[in-house]
Amino acid sequence: DAKTTQPPSMDCAEGRAANLPCNHSTISGNEYVYWYRQIHSQGPQYIIHGLKNNETNEMASLIITEDRKSSTLILPHATLRDTAVYYCIVRVGGTGTASKLTFGTGTRLQVTL
Amino acid sequence: EAGVVQSPRYKIIEKKQPVAFWCNPISGHNTLYWYLQNLGQGPELLIRYENEEAVDDSQLPKDRFSAERLKGVDSTLKIQPAELGDSAVYLCASSLGGVADTQYFGPGTRLTVL
Repeated sequence: DAKTTQPPSMDCAEGRAANLPCNHSTISGNEYVYWYRQIHSQGPQYIIHGLKNNETNEMASLIITEDRKSSTLILPHATLRDTAVYYCIVRVGGTGTASKLTFGTGTRLQVTL
Repeated sequence: EAGVVQSPRYKIIEKKQPVAFWCNPISGHNTLYWYLQNLGQGPELLIRYENEEAVDDSQLPKDRFSAERLKGVDSTLKIQPAELGDSAVYLCASSLGGVADTQYFGPGTRLTVL
């Protein structure tokens, strides 16, 4: 799996958009970009994933650059409950051995009043 | 729809004792995963099942760890004997398969070995 680089921590004011960057410069054409988050004392929670196109769901938006070497997760209106560690992961699709999730250390997002 | 269920949520044992963790995946999910998460780090895969078959157990320390998924639904992860360094959170995840194969995680079992 391609390695990802994320800032170790970020702060965001409640109600503002949180933009979490991720670099994955060695991503392959068949690798997806996944985002998970982990709130304290809980299991990781799936947020969103994408291959080439930008994606949006009820939780967040994922913006992938045209060359696919980086992406940004956007939480449009951050709340205190969004305080968590956010993991950006790239992986091959499917269920084969190469498709396993490899977590890094993520970005610790702190949402403040 | 119920998520991935794990029990117990917390377990405290003395070293050299055995311990077991149980996981029930999301209904219909054929793929089941066990992860280990040490404090301050991301989860690491221990074993992956496709139905009842362990298809990737390369990261499972087989001298003391074992796992089973006899009927291809729920699964048990066992440690015998436990060591101090096994203190961690043990996470179970499941997925439906397919190209995207999104994994959904349970709340985890926090093990403390004294």
